[in-house]
Amino acid sequence: DTAVSQTPKYLVTQMGNDKSIKCEQNLGHDTMYWYKQDSKKFLKIMFSYNNKELIINETVPNRFSPKSPDKAHLNLHINSLELGDSAVYFCASSQDLDSNEKLFFGSGTQLSVL
Amino acid sequence: AQSVAQPEDQVNVAEGNPLTVKCTYSVSGNPYLFWYVQYPNRGLQFLLKYITGDNLVKGSYGFEAEFNKSQTSFHLKKPSALVSDSALYFCAVKPHDKIIFGKGTRLHILP
Repeated sequence: DTAVSQTPKYLVTQMGNDKSIKCEQNLGHDTMYWYKQDSKKFLKIMFSYNNKELIINETVPNRFSPKSPDKAHLNLHINSLELGDSAVYFCASSQDLDSNEKLFFGSGTQLSVL
Repeated sequence: AQSVAQPEDQVNVAEGNPLTVKCTYSVSGNPYLFWYVQYPNRGLQFLLKYITGDNLVKGSYGFEAEFNKSQTSFHLKKPSALVSDSALYFCAVKPHDKIIFGKGTRLHILP
């Protein structure tokens, strides 16, 4: 079983569209994250959720709206997609927010906005 | 500002030789320190971490890292490189509630 799974793996869409990326973890972790990796491979945190509550929002445009229906899921909805949104988006989870435990990453969603 | 620096974009090492991937950090307090590896088209995978105690930490795939508090460094090392070690390596620190990643260093092991 994949510990952190995200879908779709690839997403190609036109500018202005709205799209969603789904993420699920089966590790029983309390904390989930969204990271964005740009074309230069720089990895930047976007959001973190702990037990369905938003903890970190790293000055991400409000076109990005995370939703956590339960602690095993953290979905990312993006409105009015822009060219600059093209990147690889990674979901991750950890045991909890304050621990020194490692992150488990999904395999990424490559978003291409045309 | 809290930050992590990986000064080398790419490191080339011949197979069988020792390798070092450098990392320095600038954060307040005593952070947790991590190394992750990313293979092509994959998510990051945990290699090792330093929390406290012995400055030399051993991790997966024969990697180790040395914590140096005075130099605020956490360099990744391996005594003998394998071609399969070729990947993108990220240093990370966790000063409080979030993990901050370096920009990554591409490690290229030459056969």
